[in-house]
Amino acid sequence: DAGVIQSPRHEVTEMGQEVTLRCKPISGHDYLFWYRQTMMRGLELLIYFNNNVPIDDSGMPEDRFSAKMPNASFSTLKIQPSEPRDSAVYFCASSFGGSGELFFGEGSRLTVL
Amino acid sequence: SQQGEEDPQALSIQEGENATMNCSYKTSINNLQWYRQNSGRGLVHLILIRSNEREKHSGRLRVTLDTSKKSSSLLITASRAADTASYFCATEGQAGTALIFGKGTTLSVSS
Repeated sequence: DAGVIQSPRHEVTEMGQEVTLRCKPISGHDYLFWYRQTMMRGLELLIYFNNNVPIDDSGMPEDRFSAKMPNASFSTLKIQPSEPRDSAVYFCASSFGGSGELFFGEGSRLTVL
Repeated sequence: SQQGEEDPQALSIQEGENATMNCSYKTSINNLQWYRQNSGRGLVHLILIRSNEREKHSGRLRVTLDTSKKSSSLLITASRAADTASYFCATEGQAGTALIFGKGTTLSVSS
């Protein structure tokens, strides 16, 4: 299996632009998680899905952030409009079952100028 | 909100020495997991210990769990330069809730 695949690996954009991050989970996994990592705040859970349904989005910072999972093999995290404080590494992870081992992608490093 | 807190924040040792990292958490758990992150990469699962277990081994890794103290430790024996990475503990409360990670311990092993 190729593992969790995220794209793009790096994104540099200007404040106010829309950013879309993509994730392909491991086939057969029924949970998908989006995390954000910064030096100051560490790894923060943004949102997670079970069987494509959002379960908890309380970690989404504000309305500028949205996430979708239209099918079992694809999820997006969108930021519109982006701000410099959104600069971080965004990780997608998937698992079989909600409390077991998480498999992480390599992350998408976002820089908002 | 963060559930787990690792200690120390940073640790520097020589190859061959043992490295011990600690994790404290706040609420009751079903299991506790440890992950490793190499610089610029995603996190990789190392080991999971359930709340009814006190100790678990995997290769050079030894994890202990003390639910009465709400703490866990990760011991890496005979460390190697390749063990240089950040190590995170993660916990979840009720079954089905997502993992919450601590801020990690950065381990540096010099040869």
